[in-house]
Amino acid sequence: DADVTQTPRNRITKTGKRIMLECSQTKGHDRMYWYRQDPGLGLRLIYYSFDVKDINKGEISDGYSVSRQAQAKFSLSLESAIPNQTALYFCATSDPGLHETQYFGPGTRLLVL
Amino acid sequence: AQSVSQHNHHVILSEAASLELGCNYSYGGTVNLFWYVQYPGQHLQLLLKYFSGDPLVKGIKGFEAEFIKSKFSFNLRKPSVQWSDTAEYFCAVKKGSTLGRLYFGRGTQLTVWP
Repeated sequence: DADVTQTPRNRITKTGKRIMLECSQTKGHDRMYWYRQDPGLGLRLIYYSFDVKDINKGEISDGYSVSRQAQAKFSLSLESAIPNQTALYFCATSDPGLHETQYFGPGTRLLVL
Repeated sequence: AQSVSQHNHHVILSEAASLELGCNYSYGGTVNLFWYVQYPGQHLQLLLKYFSGDPLVKGIKGFEAEFIKSKFSFNLRKPSVQWSDTAEYFCAVKKGSTLGRLYFGRGTQLTVWP
C-alpha cells in the first residue's frame, strides 16, 4: 500500500552494526506496528505504538528498539545486529475506527552477515 | 496465551479446484478475525474480515470465510482457484478487549498449477 512506505527496501549489514529501518505513513493513523516475518513462522510483533507517547513491547522485542518521531513516523533499530535477525520486516498501521484493520508497508529485507 | 493455528503449511492445487484453508484460534471471548494474502514479493493485503453479524463473509477475488464460534474456526474458501491465487495466506485474530494487536498464524503457502 503506497500509503505506508519503508526504507530501505533491502539492506545487508554485518554482525555488530547498528542499523535503523524507517516507516512513514500518510494514512493519518495513530497506531503503528513493527513485525518480522520468517519462513514458516508467520508474522511476529516486535513493537507497537498507539500514539506518539505510547510505545509497547511485542512478542520478540529483545535486540530491538523503536522511536515514534511523529504520528507519521515509526523507526525500528537493531542496536547490534546479529545473523538471526536476518528476516523480512514489515511496518503496519491501523485505525480503531476501521475495526483495527492493519495496512502493511512493502517490507524491508534485511541480511545480517 | 492466544494462539492461531493454520493446519496446512503448503497446499498444492490445480486450477479450478476448490480451496479451503483452515484457521483455528484459542481465545474464548469476543474476537475480530482477518485473512491476509501475500503475493510473491509483495506486502500483506487484506482479503476479508469478520467483526459481527453474518458469520459468512465475502472478500475480494471471490474468497469467502465462515466464522464458526463453537469450533473457534474461521476457514477460508474459494470455489475455483486460479493460477494468480498462488500466494501465502495468513489468518489473524484480534481479541475484543485488546487494543490494536493482531495475532497471526504461521501462514499457508498455496501453489496453483495451471
